[in-house]
Formats: sequence, C-alpha cells, structure tokens
Amino acid sequence: KNEVEQSPQNLTAQEGEFITINCSYSVGISALHWLQQHPGGGIVSLFMLSSGKKKHGRLIATINIQEKHSSLHITASHPRDSAVYICAAIYGGSQGNLIFGKGTKLSVKP
Amino acid sequence: DAGITQSPRHKVTETGTPVTLRCHQTENHRYMYWYRQDPGHGLRLIHYSYGVKDTDKGEVSDGYSVSRSKTEDFLLTLESATSSQTSVYFCAISEQGGYIQYFGAGTRLSVL
Repeated sequence: KNEVEQSPQNLTAQEGEFITINCSYSVGISALHWLQQHPGGGIVSLFMLSSGKKKHGRLIATINIQEKHSSLHITASHPRDSAVYICAAIYGGSQGNLIFGKGTKLSVKP
Repeated sequence: DAGITQSPRHKVTETGTPVTLRCHQTENHRYMYWYRQDPGHGLRLIHYSYGVKDTDKGEVSDGYSVSRSKTEDFLLTLESATSSQTSVYFCAISEQGGYIQYFGAGTRLSVL
C-alpha cells in the first residue's frame, strides 16, 4: 500500500529558529506536494517537486528520490508560520491522486 | 487565489437525510476532487472528476456519490447521511492529473 509518513507529529519552536519537517514515502512517486493548513482551516499549496530543491521566501523544500524522503525547511521562523504542514505524494499511474501524510503541527512562539 | 467556492460552509443535519455539497470553480480546470478530513487521518480522497461526466472513486467512496454536469460544478451527495460522515469536506481543483492542486475553504458537516 502506498503510504506517506511525516515527522514530527508536533513541533514547537522559538521565533527565529530553523525548522525541518520530514516526509517519507514508498516507491514509485511521480511528484510530491507540500501544503500548509492555516489555523482557520484553509489549505494552501506551497510546493510541488519531483527532484532537487525549490525555494520560496523563507521556505525550502528538498526531495531525495533514492532515499524516498523529502524535507520542508523554514528559515528564521515566525509566529505567523504556525500551521499544520502536510506532505502528499502522487503515485505514478494514479491519475494524479494525492496520498496525504497526517500533517505536522508547528507552533512558533514569540 | 484560485476561484473555488464551496457551499454551504457549515451544515448540521440528521441521520438518514440526503445532503448535497457544491464545489464551484471559475478557473476552467479539468480535474476536481472531493476530500474529507478527520482527526487522526490525513486528507482522504472520496471521488474525483477528470472531465464533464467523467468521475471515479477514491479511497473512501462508500456512501457518497458525485456528479459533474458542467466544468465549473462538482457536486458531492450523501444519499442518507450517517454520523460517521461528520467531517470537514474539501474540494480541490487541478489543471491536469499530477499537477498542483488548489483547495476550497472547506465545508464542516455535522450529522446528528
């Protein structure tokens, strides 16, 4: 069964800290999404990547296909980064359907 | 922001009643998806559509049906709602399968 595992489940950080959230998956993905779910419930797509690294502002996403692992990094974290971060894998031949991890709840304290 | 509107945003209903949730998009995207989100689970796919009148089942499709008669609208129907269908429902759209997905604001459904 195709699965997506995230760690940690919960993360508390002090403002300014460098944050890493991890995502591992089973074989055969064609791409991986990182999403952010705000405390109010809205979901925003942050990145989609199939290789290498992508950067947007203070957010960096990397993926290592051989190790079946992706990371989301947040530099200089801020309380407004507090949210649930979700990774989701697209498995080949699935019509592009996403398999979601359960999310990492991040709380950044001032 | 992608033009996705879910309605209603909140609904309380009784067991056994039919319920229809609507997802409307203004982006002319081909793919549309219905997910449910429950504590302890990731988002789970209920049904998806890859074109007008083209739909398929997802991971948790039992008890749900969908229809797509126009590109812009994707309806999710609970024929006879049960308490296990109490959840937050999200609609998403995508230009193509495997492309980035954009999510609606969600519908909170309570079945009493």
